Amino acid sequence: NAGVTQTPKFQVLKTGQSMTLQCAQDMNHNSMYWYRQDPGMGLRLIYYSASEGTTDKGEVPNGYNVSRLNKREFSLRLESAAPSQTSVYFCASSNYEGDYGYTFGSGTRLTVV
Amino acid sequence: QKEVEQNSGPLSVPEGAIASLNCTYSDRVSQSFFWYRQYSGKSPELIMSIYSNGDKEDGRFTAQLNKASQYVSLLIRDSQPSDSATYLCAVNLRNTGNQFYFGTGTSLTVIP
Repeated sequence: NAGVTQTPKFQVLKTGQSMTLQCAQDMNHNSMYWYRQDPGMGLRLIYYSASEGTTDKGEVPNGYNVSRLNKREFSLRLESAAPSQTSVYFCASSNYEGDYGYTFGSGTRLTVV
Repeated sequence: QKEVEQNSGPLSVPEGAIASLNCTYSDRVSQSFFWYRQYSGKSPELIMSIYSNGDKEDGRFTAQLNKASQYVSLLIRDSQPSDSATYLCAVNLRNTGNQFYFGTGTSLTVIP
């Protein structure tokens, strides 16, 4: 099983450019999440989708948009990248209640110059 | 005060010793508690979950939960160099929904 698949693994953007991070899971999970991880800050929730058709803001949503395309796929878009968005981004999924924890993708290392 | 707090370390223990990692949380209505291991440059990997007060053992790992004192801990017995990683505590802080809050992690180094 692939679990949670994220693409791309690495990306360098210039300030002002846009890009979409893709995430897909094959575990039949209802809920999906986007986190960013920065040194000393831990994992911070950007957006999440509790179930297909719903999305909600997390702790740090500014500068990002998301789309829950279907049950399997949840994308994160940066419309106008800023250096402050340089980070490692993780997608994760879980069952609706989160009882069994999250399964994480392998991450995207994004640098904005 | 952060919702979930961990001592960032670094924590160093000799091979074969017991490593003790601690986590405190702010919300008394928390339901689920998890420990993740994250190797440098990799994604977090779930290693333990605990839902009720007391101890839960899985191999060399023991999770301990005390809801009255609002802390959860992870003990690693017979520590191995391969246990060297950052350990993240995650707590489902809300009685409804499935959002987790993560601590900033404790860096563990096991010295051969």
